Amino acid sequence: DTGVSQDPRHKITKRGQNVTFRCDPISEHNRLYWYRQTLGQGPEFLTYFQNEAQLEKSRLLSDRFSAERPKGSFSTLEIQRTEQGDSAMYLCASSKVGTYGYTFGSGTRLTVV
Amino acid sequence: AQSVTQPDIHITVSEGASLELRCNYSYGATPYLFWYVQSPGQGLQLLLKYFSGDTLVQGIKGFEAEFKRSQSSFNLRKPSVHWSDAAEYFCALATSNNAGNMLTFGGGTRLMVKP
Repeated sequence: DTGVSQDPRHKITKRGQNVTFRCDPISEHNRLYWYRQTLGQGPEFLTYFQNEAQLEKSRLLSDRFSAERPKGSFSTLEIQRTEQGDSAMYLCASSKVGTYGYTFGSGTRLTVV
Repeated sequence: AQSVTQPDIHITVSEGASLELRCNYSYGATPYLFWYVQSPGQGLQLLLKYFSGDTLVQGIKGFEAEFKRSQSSFNLRKPSVHWSDAAEYFCALATSNNAGNMLTFGGGTRLMVKP
């Protein structure tokens, strides 16, 4: 069990650029979640996958946000045309179906300048 | 809709003193409840969880929490705080009818430990 890995740890981008983050879950975990955490707040659910299927995406913040998990293993979260309000920590987590409480990665901190 | 409230944004305690962090939830049935800890710049680590049964649950690092249905609370406690406990603590809930066991988090409590 190598834990949940996220890459990069930090990303600074200019407003209007596109960014993509990667998450590698624990290998036997079939569920993968994305959360966003702004400064001083608790994490906020964005979307989740069960294997390669994205089963909930209505909470993605806008149509500039999209996520994929093409082969049911790693996942990517893309933000197009970044805005300063997108600056936050983006957390990935994984779990097995039927379990509650998941394992989080260390997050990707995005700064939009 | 469910919600979680952590009334204390900041708490400062002296090393060796006891600690209680408050968590209140709003949900029509019994939720699944969790406490996570987050060190600066890091992800969240699960301290403990409550699903059913014994209302006092033990977790890692000497933490425990007590579920009180009548008060809709799930307060986190530790009898003697260590300097390494300084971090942010989040209470969260999930429900059996949540798609994908989505977690709803409180706003967090930042714990500072005085030497």
